[in-house]
Amino acid sequence: GIQVEQSPPDLILQEGANSTLRCNFSDSVNNLQWFHQNPWGQLINLFYIPSGTKQNGRLSATTVATERYSLLYISSSQTTDSGVYFCAVGLYNTDKLIFGTGTRLQVFP
Amino acid sequence: NAGVTQTPKFRVLKTGQSMTLLCAQDMNHEYMYWYRQDPGMGLRLIHYSVGEGTTAKGEVPDGYNVSRLKKQNFLLGLESAAPSQTSVYFCASSYVGDPNEQFFGPGTRLTVL
Repeated sequence: GIQVEQSPPDLILQEGANSTLRCNFSDSVNNLQWFHQNPWGQLINLFYIPSGTKQNGRLSATTVATERYSLLYISSSQTTDSGVYFCAVGLYNTDKLIFGTGTRLQVFP
Repeated sequence: NAGVTQTPKFRVLKTGQSMTLLCAQDMNHEYMYWYRQDPGMGLRLIHYSVGEGTTAKGEVPDGYNVSRLKKQNFLLGLESAAPSQTSVYFCASSYVGDPNEQFFGPGTRLTVL
């Protein structure tokens, strides 16, 4: 089956720093989502981004489907950005999402 | 809109006990899903439903049963709980026009002793 790998597995930042999280997938996908799981366990939809670039405030995401990767950019990080970031891919002709293993981000003041 | 809600938020069971987790959504979504998340891992699909009265197996269905009697509700049952089922359970829903854009509930933390 398809492999979804995220890097780095762990990231420690000081408040105000910028970061890039990467999601690689081993096969063609129909779409891709980025989620933030906050320290309380809640999963928050960040981006639904099958291709191209989207921005929402300090966050932006780019998916290059032909090269099988997606990037999540966090600028001017804040302590509230801490948590685990997951990418999840949807395959063609299925109703299912396949989750990556996540990147754990810790932002210190 | 409340979105996707889950009941209960926490539960502790003894091995062999049974329980039902309830998921409700008020977005009129056709598709609903149950996932489990084990420590340090991503989510894995247990069962899902593409409409009222239908269910299908996901990646890790053993030991669980589901029912979708009403469009807005999706129930996950454990008939005889085992310690290996200790996990956080998430429910999600999506619109039939784009089933891969899923919206998640807050999760249920289940511990089986």
